[in-house]
Amino acid sequence: DSGVTQTPKHLITATGQRVTLRCSPRSGDLSVYWYQQSLDQGLQFLIQYYNGEERAKGNILERFSAQQFPDLHSELNLSSLELGDSALYFCASSVNQGATGELFFGEGSRLTVL
Amino acid sequence: GENVEQHPSTLSVQEGDSAVIKCTYSDSASNYFPWYKQELGKRPQLIIDIRSNVGEKKDQRIAVTLNKTAKHFSLHITETQPEDSAVYFCAASSGAGSYQLTFGKGTKLSVIP
Repeated sequence: DSGVTQTPKHLITATGQRVTLRCSPRSGDLSVYWYQQSLDQGLQFLIQYYNGEERAKGNILERFSAQQFPDLHSELNLSSLELGDSALYFCASSVNQGATGELFFGEGSRLTVL
Repeated sequence: GENVEQHPSTLSVQEGDSAVIKCTYSDSASNYFPWYKQELGKRPQLIIDIRSNVGEKKDQRIAVTLNKTAKHFSLHITETQPEDSAVYFCAASSGAGSYQLTFGKGTKLSVIP
């Protein structure tokens, strides 16, 4: 158990819908990262927050947004869903502000868009 | 932005043999290079990492080498065992403040008993 909690574990929805994925980091970790894992695409970096502030943004679509709340949990919002958004979404946390130490990954949220 | 290339995409070895996975990166300012192992249906977990001021690091059967001039780093697993079968990802930390960790596309390692 990494100490990072992600909900829901599985989610099935239809095209055009909106979903919210939630992540609770390890106790004491201030950084939260979101990654998308699709078949043959590895781990695609989406966005990173540190203590409530956005620090880095990767290939995150405009239909996607995220935020980190004062209690440090984070939410990833995916809207106007398309079939290609089906993937495993990982949240990770770390104690460092920068990505120069171990990232602790949650179990992931598997999104299926039909 | 940073681009990390990883080869091979699949690798099969006999139990007891060695396995080598290679990665190249594009941003010369990158300074941290971890390797993650992801077993089937599980989350990625850090197995070893190396920083830019070090050329080699070992941890039991696992070693990582870094060549900053050539911008490539490699994972070496010796005396492979069936439990080493997994997908391995290399990564590089880059960008202002090193906030972004960019992963390679992964190598599926199969160790044949």
